[in-house]
Amino acid sequence: EAGVAQSPRYKIIEKRQSVAFWCNPISGHATLYWYQQILGQGPKLLIQFQNNGVVDDSQLPKDRFSAERLKGVDSTLKIQPAKLEDSAVYLCASSLLRDVSETQYFGPGTRLLVL
Amino acid sequence: SQQGEEDPQALSIQEGENATMNCSYKTSINNLQWYRQNSGRGLVHLILIRSNEREKHSGRLRVTLDTSKKSSSLLITASRAADTASYFCATDAWGAQKLVFGQGTRLTINP
Repeated sequence: EAGVAQSPRYKIIEKRQSVAFWCNPISGHATLYWYQQILGQGPKLLIQFQNNGVVDDSQLPKDRFSAERLKGVDSTLKIQPAKLEDSAVYLCASSLLRDVSETQYFGPGTRLLVL
Repeated sequence: SQQGEEDPQALSIQEGENATMNCSYKTSINNLQWYRQNSGRGLVHLILIRSNEREKHSGRLRVTLDTSKKSSSLLITASRAADTASYFCATDAWGAQKLVFGQGTRLTINP
C-alpha cells in the first residue's frame, strides 16, 4: 500500500513569510497527525485530526499556525507569519483508528528553513 | 514537554555487537512504543509494550519495561550497518490519548 505522502520535501523562506505543507495519509486512515521535529529532538505533536474534526490542538501555536482536513482525507498545515524558531522538520502521520496504541505511519517530512 | 528521555544520546558500536538504549519517563503510562528514524526520513514503528507487560521480542529486538522504575530498554542484537538510525521511545500517559516522544538515541553501526 502507498505510504503517507508529503510535499514539498524542502522549503526555504524568510521570516514573516507564509508557508504551507500538504499531507496525504494512507487510504482509509481516519486519524491524521502533524508533528514538529526540531533538530536533535523528538517529534512534538502539533495537531491531531479524527476524520475532519480536530481532536487535539493544544500544542499548536494558533496565532501563527493553522491546519485543516476539510474532506477527512488530505490535510494542509500553514504557518503565517513564520519565525526563525519555526525551522524544523514537519512530519505528517496517520493511523487506522484513533486509539493511541495504534501504529502511526509517518511520511518523509518537510524540512523548513526560515532565514 | 517531552516525557521520555533516552540514554545515551549517541552510541557507536561495531557491526555484530549488541546495542542497548534506555528510556526513562515521568508519569504513569498505558503503553510505550519504540520508533526508528533513518537520516532524512520519517519514523518507523518498531514495537509496542503495554504497561502490564515486562518484556517483548520482535526479531532481533528485545524491549523491557519496568513500570516501578518508569524505564524501558531496547536491545538490538547482532547489529547491522542498516541499523544505523535514531531511536525514539514514545509514551502515552494515562488519559492523555497522544504520544509524547523522547529526544532519541543516535545509533551508529561501524562496519
